[in-house]
Amino acid sequence: LAKTTQPISMDSYEGQEVNITCSHNNIATNDYITWYQQFPSQGPRFIIQGYKTKVTNEVASLFIPADRKSSTLSLPRVSLSDTAVYYCLVGRANFGNEKLTFGTGTRLTIIP
Amino acid sequence: DAGVTQSPTHLIKTRGQQVTLRCSPKSGHDTVSWYQQALGQGPQFIFQYYEEEERQRGNFPDRFSGHQFPNYSSELNVNALLLGDSALYLCASSLLGGRVESNQPQHFGDGTRLSIL
Repeated sequence: LAKTTQPISMDSYEGQEVNITCSHNNIATNDYITWYQQFPSQGPRFIIQGYKTKVTNEVASLFIPADRKSSTLSLPRVSLSDTAVYYCLVGRANFGNEKLTFGTGTRLTIIP
Repeated sequence: DAGVTQSPTHLIKTRGQQVTLRCSPKSGHDTVSWYQQALGQGPQFIFQYYEEEERQRGNFPDRFSGHQFPNYSSELNVNALLLGDSALYLCASSLLGGRVESNQPQHFGDGTRLSIL
């Protein structure tokens, strides 16, 4: 499984755009990149998943450069409720039966 | 559409005891995975059940065992509890539907907080 590296923590002010970058130098050809969000005392919640270029949904955007050795999760106009831990995962497309490997994540704190 | 539900939400045990945690998957899902999350760490994969069989297992001792029932619900059993077993235990479900691969993300419950005294 490809190892991921992401910042331990980040702070941002309300209303700003937040970008969290994840490095995955050993990503395999058939690996996907997935981001999860976790609030205290709750289970992780799927945010977004992508393979290359750009993916956007109603919550976030995921930017993946051509070499796929890194990816950036972009959260537009954050609010206090976006304070959480964000995990970057890399794995095969068959996420349904994949044993997910979580790192320590990025603790994002939104400041009023 | 009911999501993944786990019970109990909190549990306190003493060393050496045994515990059973329960999970009902999201409606329509047939695969259940269990994860252990220690304080300040990311979730660690314990094992996965599909068609009432353990299909994959992480690096956990045999004290950790499980079961899946015909209605797809699942139990996690831990014997001879140690202080280090204190953690949030998460259940995640997904749909395989007989396919070898699935690109649908796993859905997590909010976990059972287990404290060992």
